[in-house]
Order: sequence, then C-alpha cells, then structure tokens
Amino acid sequence: DIQMTQSPSSLSASVGDRVTITCRASQGISNSLAWYQQKPGKAPKLLLYAASRLESGVPSRFSGSGSGTDYTLTISSLQPEDFATYYCQQYYSTPPTFGQGTKLEIK
Amino acid sequence: QVQLQESGPGLVKPSETLSLTCTVSGGSISSYYWSWIRQPPGKGLEWIGYIYYSGSTNYNPSLKSRVTISVDTSKNQFSLKLSSVTAADTAVYYCARDVIAVAGNWFDPWGQGTLVTVSS
Repeated sequence: DIQMTQSPSSLSASVGDRVTITCRASQGISNSLAWYQQKPGKAPKLLLYAASRLESGVPSRFSGSGSGTDYTLTISSLQPEDFATYYCQQYYSTPPTFGQGTKLEIK
Repeated sequence: QVQLQESGPGLVKPSETLSLTCTVSGGSISSYYWSWIRQPPGKGLEWIGYIYYSGSTNYNPSLKSRVTISVDTSKNQFSLKLSSVTAADTAVYYCARDVIAVAGNWFDPWGQGTLVTVSS
C-alpha cells in the first residue's frame, strides 16, 4: 500500500492567514491526489482532485499543487468556516489510502 | 443531486457480522462504482472496498477475508457485510460514490455516516 503522510498533524491559525498543509506519498503518485475537508460529526467533503483541480462550488481560496511524492493544499485567506480537519487521498494505486489528517484550529 | 444514506444496527457483538445498507437517492445506482469507507473514533479514514452496479467488486486486502459488498439495483441500494468483528471494527462507516479517473478513484458524494460499535 502507498503510505500518505501529512504535516503538520495540527495547526493553529487566525482568520485571514495563509496556511499550507503538506502530504507526502511513500512513492510517486503522478498527481493522483484528492483533498477533503471534514468538520466534526460530518462526512468528508471533496475539495480538490488531480492534485490541483478545484471541485465545483469550492471557494477559490483553496488551491493545490505538487508532483511526484510531495503535494500541498493552500488556503490563501482563512475564513471561519475553514476550521476543520483536512485529509489527502491517493488514488494512484489500489487500495486508495488517506493521510492521517491535519486539524486546523483557531488561534 | 445524488444523496446517500447509511442504515443498519449501531451495536454488534464481537465475532458476529456487521451489516449495513446504503440507499442512493436523487440518481441511479447504475453506471457507477460505490464504496464503503470507515473511520475509527478519533482516527483516519480506511477504504473498505467498492462494487460496480453490475456486481463486480474490489476489496482492501487488509479486510478482504471478512468483507462482502453486494448491490440491489432494483432498490438503488448496496450493502456491506463484515464478519467476525472485534472492537477494532468500531467506527463510523460511510458509503460514497466513486469518481473514476484514469489511475483510480476518489469519492464524492459521501453519506452522513453511521457509527457501529462492537461490544458485548
């Protein structure tokens, strides 16, 4: 299985901050990466796929980049509704696997 | 738009079989792949397996010996059975639709999830 490692595991930030979350795969995944946002008690919500493609309806302050084994999710200006846990998921090979999550908290 | 809803017992005894059903509304189950994914309390996400509307399946090797996923197109439902459960199978179980890419698949949308606790 491809192991996905996110960093940091948790992050404190303020409204208006720019934040970046990193996801590293144990082998190259050729941009086969999705990002999800999960709020407490809710299902994950798809934000991006193919590493950088924004899902319809997702605000443009969310962006993704990367290649090979290293990928990032950036939120350009944090809004109150963005405080949540974020997961990456590789779909380069079966089984699809997820990172352990990054909890974004209000400073 | 398509919505998914999980249903089934919230409590299962150790060594018994966990059974859940996902009902798809707002669209047809046909022509798509459908997955089960779980999340132990306070932990990350684990893909369990998927089924195509035709009935073909693919399971996570870590659970393959205990998992069966089936589909009932007449009811627009698919189901999960996980046998010989232990406390380690306690989790929120989600159903989701697979979005198929050239390499593999991501998941959208998801059901709201249902907590299954394994305890005597």
